[in-house]
Formats: sequence, C-alpha cells, structure tokens
Amino acid sequence: SQTIHQWPATLVQPVGSPLSLECTVEGTSNPNLYWYRQAAGRGLQLLFYSVGIGQISSEVPQNLSASRPQDRQFILSSKKLLLSDSGFYLCAWSRGYEQYFGPGTRLTVT
Amino acid sequence: GDSVTQMEGPVTLSEEAFLTINCTYTATGYPSLFWYVQYPGEGLQLLLKATKADDKGSNKGFEATYRKETTSFHLEKGSVQVSDSAVYFCALSSGSGGSNYKLTFGKGTLLTVNP
Repeated sequence: SQTIHQWPATLVQPVGSPLSLECTVEGTSNPNLYWYRQAAGRGLQLLFYSVGIGQISSEVPQNLSASRPQDRQFILSSKKLLLSDSGFYLCAWSRGYEQYFGPGTRLTVT
Repeated sequence: GDSVTQMEGPVTLSEEAFLTINCTYTATGYPSLFWYVQYPGEGLQLLLKATKADDKGSNKGFEATYRKETTSFHLEKGSVQVSDSAVYFCALSSGSGGSNYKLTFGKGTLLTVNP
C-alpha cells in the first residue's frame, strides 16, 4: 500500500530564516505531487505541483519554491521566511484524479 | 475557472442528529467530485467520491449524490456521532487532458457534534 510522509511535524522559525519541508511517498512510482497551504480558519491553497522529476509548476507567486530531486520526494523551501508564511503545509500525491494527503507540517514564523 | 462553494460553518449538532452540508460547483466539462474530512491536527482524508452524474458516493454512513442539473454534491449523514466532529471539504477535479488533475476545494465546514 502507498504511504506519504512529511517532516517535520511542527516547526517554529524566526522571520528571515530559511525553510525546508520534505515529503516522500512510498509504494508507488511516478506520482503527481502537490504542496498546499492551509492558513488558520481558511481553506486549502495549491502552491506547487509536479508531474515528474525536476518538473515544477507554481500556482501562486510567493516567497516559496519547490523541488523534486527524486521520483517520490518533494521539497518545499524558502530562503527567507515571512510572517505570512505561517500555516499548515500539506503534501499530496496522485496517480489519477484522487489525491491522498500527508499528515502535514505546522509552521509558525515568529 | 473552476470553483466550489460550500456552506459556511460552524455547524453544531447533537449526537444522532441529521447532517447536511451543502456544496455547489462551477466547472467546465465533467468534473469528478469529492468530500474530504480533516480531523483536528491531521491531514485530509478522502471520505467519498463520485465521478459522473447521478453517482452516489458513500462511506462511514455519509452519502453524497452528483447532481449535474443543480451542480451540487451535498453531504448527508442520517445520525452523526461525536467522532464525526471535523472539518469537511468539498472538492472537484478537472483533468487537464494529460496526467495531472488539480483539485479545487471549498473553504471547509467545521462540524461539532455534542453528546
């Protein structure tokens, strides 16, 4: 069966510090991968998606970037965090129209 | 573009009450429709889905029917439990014709069930 992992589970970072969140998928190959952000009290916003290694599409202009160095690894990064980057970050994978989500990372920027 | 509108919460019910969470959508073509559930502090779990008109998705006592004529996919449960307390998201997927399917989410509805 397929599983999706995210780490860390929680993170507190000061403004201006770098960020790296990691997502890995097991039990499938060549999945589509997605990064979402969920701000407090709001819905989900798609940030990036990837259909293959090195292929990244950005949905919204922002302070973040994504990379896919391996087939089942998806990384969300920032060089300098802003207060507005705080939120709950969710990674998801799909092989068709259904998406399956990881447990999420709670990021607080102070 | 695609959009999903679901009733805003919060919704507070007593145990064993009937639940309806309304969801309507706007999309080109023939989207697939989903309900996801998010328990506190966790990621989203797929609750049920429907891929074509008049399909009924069901799981754990929840049901939703894909109504193309009213562009709706309302979530219902006949008797809610305290353990159903969560945020519920309606979503649609419209394929891009290739291998990527993007999900468009509603804003979520917080359900609280009291004993």
